[in-house]
Amino acid sequence: AQSVSQHNHHVILSEAASLELGCNYSYGGTVNLFWYVQYPGQHLQLLLKYFSGDPLVKGIKGFEAEFIKSKFSFNLRKPSVQWSDTAEYFCAVNGKDTGRRALTFGSGTRLQVQP
Amino acid sequence: DAGVIQSPRHEVTEMGQEVTLRCKPISGHDYLFWYRQTMMRGLELLIYFNNNVPIDDSGMPEDRFSAKMPNASFSTLKIQPSEPRDSAVYFCASRATGRNTEAFFGQGTRLTVV
Repeated sequence: AQSVSQHNHHVILSEAASLELGCNYSYGGTVNLFWYVQYPGQHLQLLLKYFSGDPLVKGIKGFEAEFIKSKFSFNLRKPSVQWSDTAEYFCAVNGKDTGRRALTFGSGTRLQVQP
Repeated sequence: DAGVIQSPRHEVTEMGQEVTLRCKPISGHDYLFWYRQTMMRGLELLIYFNNNVPIDDSGMPEDRFSAKMPNASFSTLKIQPSEPRDSAVYFCASRATGRNTEAFFGQGTRLTVV
């Protein structure tokens, strides 16, 4: 079965601090990996995605993530957070080929950035 | 494209009533997904369709829940009868076919059953 673990449930940072959110997945085949962001009261928006190639992917708003296949990880990073980054962040995975094509989400990490 | 469109945005209903949530996927997308988001359980997949055919409905919690996709541009999620524990935000998402594609989410329907 496919699963995603996000180890940090609630993170509080001051503006300009660096961010790293952990994500590990479990899946028996080739995967696509995603980070979605959900601002308060809003829907899910794609932050970045990994399909193949360079394991370091860059997304919107200065976010990046690194796929480490040997560790089944896809951690999200940002060098300097802003107050506007306050949101909930979800890591997600789906099977690339046959099998589970729907996204499986982690439990989410609530990021609070203090001005 | 206007993106994935869901209606209504908010729904308040009394326990026992029938509730129908609607979704219009992005034109040309072959996959449609229904998710439920709650504080306790996070984002759960309820059901998904490929080319209007239900592929996996193992996430549908009970027989009170049903979903249909009569054509490529419309899907419904129905709860009958509704219960307070069904209160949640229900998201619809769609995705194009292919190995390397991402899902786009609608604004969601916030359902409150009192």
